[in-house]
Amino acid sequence: ETGVTQTPRHLVMGMTNKKSLKCEQHLGHNAMYWYKQSAKKPLELMFVYNFKEQTENNSVPSRFSPECPNSSHLFLHLHTLQPEDSALYLCASSQDPQVGFYGYTFGSGTRLTVV
Amino acid sequence: RKEVEQDPGPFNVPEGATVAFNCTYSNSASQSFFWYRQDCRKEPKLLMSVYSSGNEDGRFTAQLNRASQYISLLIRDSKLSDSATYLCVVNTINKFYFGSGTKLNVKP
Repeated sequence: ETGVTQTPRHLVMGMTNKKSLKCEQHLGHNAMYWYKQSAKKPLELMFVYNFKEQTENNSVPSRFSPECPNSSHLFLHLHTLQPEDSALYLCASSQDPQVGFYGYTFGSGTRLTVV
Repeated sequence: RKEVEQDPGPFNVPEGATVAFNCTYSNSASQSFFWYRQDCRKEPKLLMSVYSSGNEDGRFTAQLNRASQYISLLIRDSKLSDSATYLCVVNTINKFYFGSGTKLNVKP
């Protein structure tokens, strides 16, 4: 158990479905992140939340909608996805990134397949 | 030009070998550097930070060359369990950039 828990671990969804990914951390971290990892590509930062406020949206299509109700929980709401959105979605948390980088703790990821 | 570049490999080495990976970064303002390890179908985990003076953790040695803008990871006496993908991470003005990773296969 890494301290960052993601559910579900695997998800298969149709292009017309709506689903949500959940991330929870109990490390006392201030910042939470969503990353996308496609095959043979670098990790792509999608969203950053710092103290529950979204501080970065890396030009992510609106079919991905994040929500951060508190510093411990982060959601990624999905709707009308495309097959090319199939990837591993990783949540991470860290101490305040403005202060310094002490390293991310990643969740185990949700492996998403869009059919 | 990519912020962070790594040789994707794979590096196929026998047990006991010494292997080194390099990672180059494009922005001279980059402030901190890390190596992460990612096992197949698992999340990345922090392996070690890279300090200006170089640092060692058991069989692993990390070095930073600011003049040439690269960091390196040296693994001595490779074990089968070292087989994984090694990701270079660079912090540039509070943004973090990941390399694509270098795959290492240690063979018996």
